[in-house]
Amino acid sequence: DAGVTQSPTHLIKTRGQQVTLRCSPKSGHDTVSWYQQALGQGPQFIFQYYEEEERQRGNFPDRFSGHQFPNYSSELNVNALLLGDSALYLCASSLKGTTNEKLFFGSGTQLSVL
Amino acid sequence: QKEVEQNSGPLSVPEGAIASLNCTYSDRGSQSFFWYRQYSGKSPELIMSIYSNGDKEDGRFTAQLNKASQYVSLLIRDSQPSDSATYLCAVQNWDNFNKFYFGSGTKLNVKP
Repeated sequence: DAGVTQSPTHLIKTRGQQVTLRCSPKSGHDTVSWYQQALGQGPQFIFQYYEEEERQRGNFPDRFSGHQFPNYSSELNVNALLLGDSALYLCASSLKGTTNEKLFFGSGTQLSVL
Repeated sequence: QKEVEQNSGPLSVPEGAIASLNCTYSDRGSQSFFWYRQYSGKSPELIMSIYSNGDKEDGRFTAQLNKASQYVSLLIRDSQPSDSATYLCAVQNWDNFNKFYFGSGTKLNVKP
């Protein structure tokens, strides 16, 4: 049973560049959520995708966008990178429609913006 | 006010002792509560979930929930050095499209 997979594991970019991160959910899951985790902080909710639509969004600017594909996989895009975007980006998958919905995390993408 | 508050620690306990981790939350509509363990440089791993008031035990771990006080705790019995990690508390509101809120985590150090 494949868990949540993310790629790449590490990424180094410069200010102003654009980046795309990818996530495949756990088998049987249909919902993907993205989180940003700065060093020493808890995960901060970016947005959630379900049925190929953004369903919820946290307090992140429009530079952060995403997509969900028919196979439930998802991408996170960040434009015009800032130094402050350096963080661990976590993808979490879940099965919508259950009151006992639980999040399972991928191993994350460590993004460094220079 | 943050949705989920945790003492950042570090909490230091000797090997074999009981570690007690605490969390408070602000949304009275929260219905599900979770504890995640996160080793340095790794992603969070779900270790406990609790949905009703009282205690829930799983091996060396016990989660405690008091909705009236908006308080969740995690007890780790017979603490081991391998338990040294950051413990994240998360709460979920089913009426808010199952949105999850995470605390900033408590760092636990178990000393041999």
